Amino acid sequence: DIQMTQSPSTLSASVGDRVTITCRASQSISRWLAWYQQKPGKAPKLLIYKASSLQSGVPSRFSGSGSGTEFTLTISSLQPDDFATYYCQQYNSYVTFGPGTKVDIK
Amino acid sequence: EVQLVESGGGLVQPGRSLRLSCATSGFTFDDYAMHWVRQVPGKGLEWVSGITWNSAHIGYADSVKGRFTISRDNAKNSLYLQMNSLRADDTALYYCAKAPSPPQQLSSYFDLWGQGTLVTVSS
Repeated sequence: DIQMTQSPSTLSASVGDRVTITCRASQSISRWLAWYQQKPGKAPKLLIYKASSLQSGVPSRFSGSGSGTEFTLTISSLQPDDFATYYCQQYNSYVTFGPGTKVDIK
Repeated sequence: EVQLVESGGGLVQPGRSLRLSCATSGFTFDDYAMHWVRQVPGKGLEWVSGITWNSAHIGYADSVKGRFTISRDNAKNSLYLQMNSLRADDTALYYCAKAPSPPQQLSSYFDLWGQGTLVTVSS
């Protein structure tokens, strides 16, 4: 089974900051990686698929990069609506989620 | 409106069974594979099971294999999860999720999620 890790587990940031979250796979997953945003009491929302493709309707301040085993999600300028938990997910072999990164207010 | 609506959750004793349903609307149901994902409140996401458009391919997480059964009724635009031999560690919010493509494979991301139905396993 493919295992996913994320770092950091918690990130404190301010509005306007550039934020980067890292996701690592236990083996190569090519570019079969998605990123989700989840707010308390809400279902996850798809942000990025295939490592760097922006889902329709998602602001362009979100971007993804990487391939193989290392991936990043970047928020270019953090907005008040972006404080949430972010999950990566591999879909190279079935489905595995990362443990999540909580972005909170500094 | 495109939506997924889960139902069937509730409080159940260990060892008992429960059947979850996911009613869908706003898209052509049998064009897509569908999945169940669960989340213990306050914790992370865990994939539970997936089923291709024609039910030809089905997959389960090791944690539920042999106890849970996923199925779908394309005529009713609905997805199901039969959960048997429930354990305390099955307590979670269960989400129904749509996999955008391709419909004949289980490895996918999810572009549409329901709001979830809570399953609590406790005596």
